[in-house]
Amino acid sequence: QKEVEQNSGPLSVPEGAIASLNCTYSDRVSQSFFWYRQYSGKSPELIMSIYSNGDKEDGRFTAQLNKASQYVSLLIRDSQPSDSATYLCAVNISPLGDSWGKFQFGAGTQVVVTP
Amino acid sequence: DVKVTQSSRYLVKRTGEKVFLECVQDMDHENMFWYRQDPGLGLRLIYFSYDVKMKEKGDIPEGYSVSREKKERFSLILESASTNQTSMYLCGNGYTFGSGTRLTVV
Repeated sequence: QKEVEQNSGPLSVPEGAIASLNCTYSDRVSQSFFWYRQYSGKSPELIMSIYSNGDKEDGRFTAQLNKASQYVSLLIRDSQPSDSATYLCAVNISPLGDSWGKFQFGAGTQVVVTP
Repeated sequence: DVKVTQSSRYLVKRTGEKVFLECVQDMDHENMFWYRQDPGLGLRLIYFSYDVKMKEKGDIPEGYSVSREKKERFSLILESASTNQTSMYLCGNGYTFGSGTRLTVV
């Protein structure tokens, strides 16, 4: 059974601080990894994708991937109250890594940014 | 922006009814998918489609079928709705989700 694990939280973060979210996965053949943000009552929205080991930065978000250790993380710098949401880690489970949308999702980490 | 449209935001159906959930994309994307999302269980893949008339079962296909006769439309069918199919259903293509259909089976 392929698994994607995340801490459920809630992760409480002061406004302006860095939020650090972690995700581990069990399937070694996974090639691509995604972070989605989901506001309460809304559908998930893609915020980051990462395919290679190392860091990838996009605005206030940084995704980090370590395939040897099978973890992927998301950092949110200068956290804002609008970042309060559930963050879902998604792992592409297609062996070729090319079946976009065929994911295994973690249960999500709830982030609460306090003013 | 890529748009994925789900025909209904909320649906209430009776046990045993045949239910159709519709999903339409406005991009020429080969891949489309259906997930359901339940508290404590997260998002689980029901069906995936690589192209017109091509489909693949996901993790929880039991009680569901799908239809993809045109590239832009991917339908989820509940053959005989049951109360344990009460859930949020999310359709999408590639990386993008629609706004979801909250289905209640009574």
